Amino acid sequence: NAGVTQTPKFQVLKTGQSMTLQCAQDMNHEYMSWYRQDPGMGLRLIHYSVGAGITDQGEVPNGYNVSRSTTEDFPLRLLSAAPSQTSVYFCASSYAGPSEAFFGQGTRLTVV
Amino acid sequence: SQQGEEDPQALSIQEGENATMNCSYKTSINNLQWYRQNSGRGLVHLILIRSNEREKHSGRLRVTLDTSKKSSSLLITASRAADTASYFCATHNNAGNMLTFGGGTRLMVKP
Repeated sequence: NAGVTQTPKFQVLKTGQSMTLQCAQDMNHEYMSWYRQDPGMGLRLIHYSVGAGITDQGEVPNGYNVSRSTTEDFPLRLLSAAPSQTSVYFCASSYAGPSEAFFGQGTRLTVV
Repeated sequence: SQQGEEDPQALSIQEGENATMNCSYKTSINNLQWYRQNSGRGLVHLILIRSNEREKHSGRLRVTLDTSKKSSSLLITASRAADTASYFCATHNNAGNMLTFGGGTRLMVKP
């Protein structure tokens, strides 16, 4: 039982490049979400999904896309990376609704 | 904007002492949760308290919730060096399906 797995752990991008952060969970959780964490701050919600085929915007969705084609996977796409997107990104999942979430280990992204 | 705000932002205590962290929030909630984050790691869920509950215990953790003041506190009793981490409150609001985090309290427990 791996829990929530995020890949990659580290990534450096050039401004304007695109990439996909992967997130997978093996707990059959319906609810999944993406957060970013900036130095000395709490987590801000980017996008979330209440089930396969359903996604919605969080607090800071601009510049990011998500999809949820399966229950297990919830990838986050950066369309055109900007230095302001330098952050640590966390994926989380929970059984039903945003409670008692399990978090991945994070992806540290630097945009230069 | 963040729903929850923790106080203090940083706390340093000796092993064996109790640590108290406070959280204030702005809107009506379904529940309030506390998470721990060790340096460089993901968050770990500690405890959840529902809006109709006033106090909850889990091991050395005690959480209180005052919905009239829109505030919560997390008490860690008999702290250990391994409790050194950042602690975040998070609220699940009544309006939707979002979990909103505060800025966190950095706790250091000195051996």
